[in-house]
Amino acid sequence: AQKITQTQPGMFVQEKEAVTLDCTYDTSDPSYGLFWYKQPSSGEMIFLIYQGSYDQQNATEGRYSLNFQKARKSANLVISASQLGDSAMYFCAMREVFQGAQKLVFGQGTRLTINP
Amino acid sequence: ETGVTQTPRHLVMGMTNKKSLKCEQHLGHNAMYWYKQSAKKPLELMFVYSLEERVENNSVPSRFSPECPNSSHLFLHLHTLQPEDSALYLCASSQVRDNGGTDTQYFGPGTRLTVL
Repeated sequence: AQKITQTQPGMFVQEKEAVTLDCTYDTSDPSYGLFWYKQPSSGEMIFLIYQGSYDQQNATEGRYSLNFQKARKSANLVISASQLGDSAMYFCAMREVFQGAQKLVFGQGTRLTINP
Repeated sequence: ETGVTQTPRHLVMGMTNKKSLKCEQHLGHNAMYWYKQSAKKPLELMFVYSLEERVENNSVPSRFSPECPNSSHLFLHLHTLQPEDSALYLCASSQVRDNGGTDTQYFGPGTRLTVL
């Protein structure tokens, strides 16, 4: 079974600073996908960024980038120039085959607070 | 409407009530999912409908019953729930590719359920 570990329950960062949210994963599948989602207090899970296991380049989406270190099985999310609106829960997830279909396996999440 | 919508956003019910949660996706996807998010626990997959086939998650109690009348609509019927079923219920959708792989899952805003 696959497993996602997020070791930072909470992070506090000053506005405009960069922040790195940690994620490590465990899988025996050679092909896998890793996702980061943001969940504001409203509850909706907002897709941020995706990294495939065979992707040669680290994924980037605007201020979000994924520091993918395959040998270390880590997929850390980097947010550059943080903004007050970045305050939310952040979840790392891995796609897993499930009875012929696919599902996401989520980590425990990291609560990010951006201070003005 | 765009994306994935869920109604109601908030629901309070007694243990003897019967209620239903509704999800609708406007993304043209062919797979839909129900996830449960309890306090201090990672998101857990409850049910998947992929290419119009239902994939069971055997750990879900029978008091939860899904229904997928077409590829755009998903329901979760609730009956004789317990207080520990209080949680945020999230619906998601994705596109299943011809090779069986799936693209990114997009989530709705969730229904926050309280069982008294």
